[in-house]
Parts: sequence; structure tokens; C-alpha cells
Amino acid sequence: EAGVAQSPRYKIIEKRQSVAFWCNPISGHATLYWYQQILGQGPKLLIQFQNNGVVDDSQLPKDRFSAERLKGVDSTLKIQPAKLEDSAVYLCASSPQVGIYNNSPLHFGNGTRLTVT
Amino acid sequence: AQSVTQPDIHITVSEGASLELRCNYSYGATPYLFWYVQSPGQGLQLLLKYFSGDTLVQGIKGFEAEFKRSQSSFNLRKPSVHWSDAAEYFCAVGSGTYKYIFGTGTRLKVLA
Repeated sequence: EAGVAQSPRYKIIEKRQSVAFWCNPISGHATLYWYQQILGQGPKLLIQFQNNGVVDDSQLPKDRFSAERLKGVDSTLKIQPAKLEDSAVYLCASSPQVGIYNNSPLHFGNGTRLTVT
Repeated sequence: AQSVTQPDIHITVSEGASLELRCNYSYGATPYLFWYVQSPGQGLQLLLKYFSGDTLVQGIKGFEAEFKRSQSSFNLRKPSVHWSDAAEYFCAVGSGTYKYIFGTGTRLKVLA
């Protein structure tokens, strides 16, 4: 099966500019996650979708970050305006079902490395 | 609050030597535990997971991990490391019905 696709792989922007990342999950996977991985840290959940509905966005900085998952498939994560501390790798992951209890691990994309100067 | 601690930021081993990566968790209920590996420029790949049952779990690439409830630990082991194992390793705990909490990672370097 094809894996989780993310684009672009790299992005360099200046602070206060905007940027968008795209994710295409594995076909048929209902749940989609966006993680932020700052250098030297583990991934931190930003937002989780179940189909096209938001399950958890408690750690998403909503004043500057937004995400959507139209039609329950592809997803876009946007930052506007970007800050220096947003420099990180943004990982998209998907899983077939909701819930760890359903024995469904995460499948990760290769990520988008964002550098804000 | 749930948390995961990986005490070792960097570990260096010689090829062929044994490996143990430490992971301690804090979780109020029965934990669901995972080890993921991340090669440079790649996403995370699942090595193994513990949900219930046998506390010694086998994973891919010859890795295994042992769940020890009394020590709140889930250490990853491999009897003989290969140069291709050089990567970053993340321990994660399942929180609630869907949230994964990751540790800060251990970067493994393998000497030829």
C-alpha cells in the first residue's frame, strides 16, 4: 500500500509570512494526525481528525495555526503568520480506526521541515 | 499527567554489541506502549507495541521490549546491533482513546 504522502519536504520562509503543508493519508484511513517535532524533542500532537471532524485540537495554537480535512481524505495545515519558534518538522500520520484500543498504530509520512528565518 | 521519559539522549555502541534503550512512563491506568524508530529525513516507523498479555514483546528488525509494571518501564533491546540501526528511537504511551505521548527520543550511533 502507498504510504502517507506529505509535501513539500522542505520550506524556508521569513517570520510573519504564511505557509501551508499538505498531507494525503493512506487510502481508507479514517484518522489523521498532525504532529510538530521540534529539534531534539519528540513529536507533539497538534490536531487529530476523525474523517473530516476534529477530535482533538487542544494543543493547536489557534491564533496562528489552522487545519482542515475536506471530504475526510487530504488535509492541509496552515501557519499564518509564522514565528521563529515554529521552525520544526511537521509530521502527518494516519491510522485505520479511532483509538489505540483498536490496535491501530500510526503510519507516518516523511514530514515537512520548516525553517523560519 | 501522562508522560514518557527517555533518560538517554545519545547512545553509542559498537556494531555487534547488545543494546538497551530505556523508557519510563507515567500513566494512571493500563498503559499502551510503543517504540518507534526514525531514520534521518524519514517519518517514524513502528518497531513494536504492548497492549496486554506477555510482557516481552517482539518487534521488527530483531528488536524486543519488556514491560515492567513495577518499574514503570518499557525498555527496548537488541542482542546484536547492526550499522543500519543507527537512528533515533522514540518511546510512546497511549493516553486515553487516541492520544499518543512521545518521549524526547534517544539517538543511537553505531561504531563500525
